[in-house]
Amino acid sequence: KQEVTQIPAALSVPEGENLVLNCSFTDSAIYNLQWFRQDPGKGLTSLLLIQSSQREQTSGRLNASLDKSSGRSTLYIAASQPGDSATYLCAVSPWDSGGYQKVTFGTGTKLQVIP
Amino acid sequence: ETGVTQTPRHLVMGMTNKKSLKCEQHLGHNAMYWYKQSAKKPLELMFVYNFKEQTENNSVPSRFSPECPNSSHLFLHLHTLQPEDSALYLCASSLYWPGGPGNTQYFGPGTRLTVL
Repeated sequence: KQEVTQIPAALSVPEGENLVLNCSFTDSAIYNLQWFRQDPGKGLTSLLLIQSSQREQTSGRLNASLDKSSGRSTLYIAASQPGDSATYLCAVSPWDSGGYQKVTFGTGTKLQVIP
Repeated sequence: ETGVTQTPRHLVMGMTNKKSLKCEQHLGHNAMYWYKQSAKKPLELMFVYNFKEQTENNSVPSRFSPECPNSSHLFLHLHTLQPEDSALYLCASSLYWPGGPGNTQYFGPGTRLTVL
């Protein structure tokens, strides 16, 4: 059974700092890995999706990397801003011989960027 | 209106009530999902529909009953719930049968359910 862990559970940084969020998973046979952002009381917004054949994806100030062999992914946020404050969730989709992928989510890292 | 919408946004109900959650997607997707998000727990997949057909029931109690009349609408009918069912219920959709490159799920804002 796939397990996804995100450490730390919460993080507080001053504005302007570069930061890294971590995600680890137990089963390396994944199809893709996705990073989401969730604002309080709201749904999830997809940030980046990395296919199993890829090493990283970039969007603006965000960069996500994937190392399947070690079961890790990192989300790098450059020059953090107060508007980046949210909970960041990592989700993995496994290979499934039946063609259906059950997405497994981590519990998230709650980020607070202090002005 | 675009994206995935959910109504109501907040719901308080007693254990003997019957209520329904509604989800609508305006993205032309074919797959829709219900997730449960409880405090301090990872999101739990509840149900998956593909082209209106239920393809997954993740061992969800029968007091939760989904309905998908067409690819754009998804309902979750609730009856005789328990206080531990209080959670944020999220609806999501994706373009096709869950799988394949770039098959991103798009989420609605959720319904905050409180069972008294």
